[in-house]
Amino acid sequence: SAVISQKPSRDICQRGTSLTIQCQVDSQVTMMFWYRQQPGQSLTLIATANQGSEATYESGFVIDKFPISRPNLTFSTLTVSNMSPEDSSIYLCSVEEDIFGGIPNEQFFGPGTRLTVL
Amino acid sequence: AQTVTQSQPEMSVQEAETVTLSCTYDTSESDYYLFWYKQPPSRQMILVIRQEAYKQQNATENRFSVNFQKAAKSFSLKISDSQLGDAAMYFCAYSGGGADGLTFGKGTHLIIQP
Repeated sequence: SAVISQKPSRDICQRGTSLTIQCQVDSQVTMMFWYRQQPGQSLTLIATANQGSEATYESGFVIDKFPISRPNLTFSTLTVSNMSPEDSSIYLCSVEEDIFGGIPNEQFFGPGTRLTVL
Repeated sequence: AQTVTQSQPEMSVQEAETVTLSCTYDTSESDYYLFWYKQPPSRQMILVIRQEAYKQQNATENRFSVNFQKAAKSFSLKISDSQLGDAAMYFCAYSGGGADGLTFGKGTHLIIQP
């Protein structure tokens, strides 16, 4: 299975600032996903990030607030822009191993980034 | 849109006993995938078991097994011989396949009593 790392693991930020979260995978994968887990809640999909195309955002999430980059098959970033305390969450990236290299539709998750906005 | 419902916010079981976590889902698709993920306090999401909707046979992984009832749209997880290390949040998840992300239920907090 893919090994996924995220940076930073946690951060405390001031209202109105932005934070970029990095997700690195140890193998090439086509599909990467970003999720948000608000305190005590379940995971909610923010967007799907495929290399070579614009990210696809779920209802309630917009590119201006959560811009995503996917420059290659092993790396992605999620930026949380103009932060407010409501953005305090754990942000997780996940990857779906390519069908030829792994089991289709099985997602593996990074360790998450715990963000606190004051 | 697909929805996943976990009606048990918290479950408690004695060590070595068996516990069943419930999950129902709603979809109009005929082909899809279902998963159970475990999230311990370390918050790392760990895949426990998966089920392809086109397979009639229930998936099993060692002490973990599912009861997949496609007509009833039910997907429960049975943990046999519960161990202290099984204590965690358990999330049921749905994927339509292809480029779909996962739709998660709200989770069940499993407590293992020694």
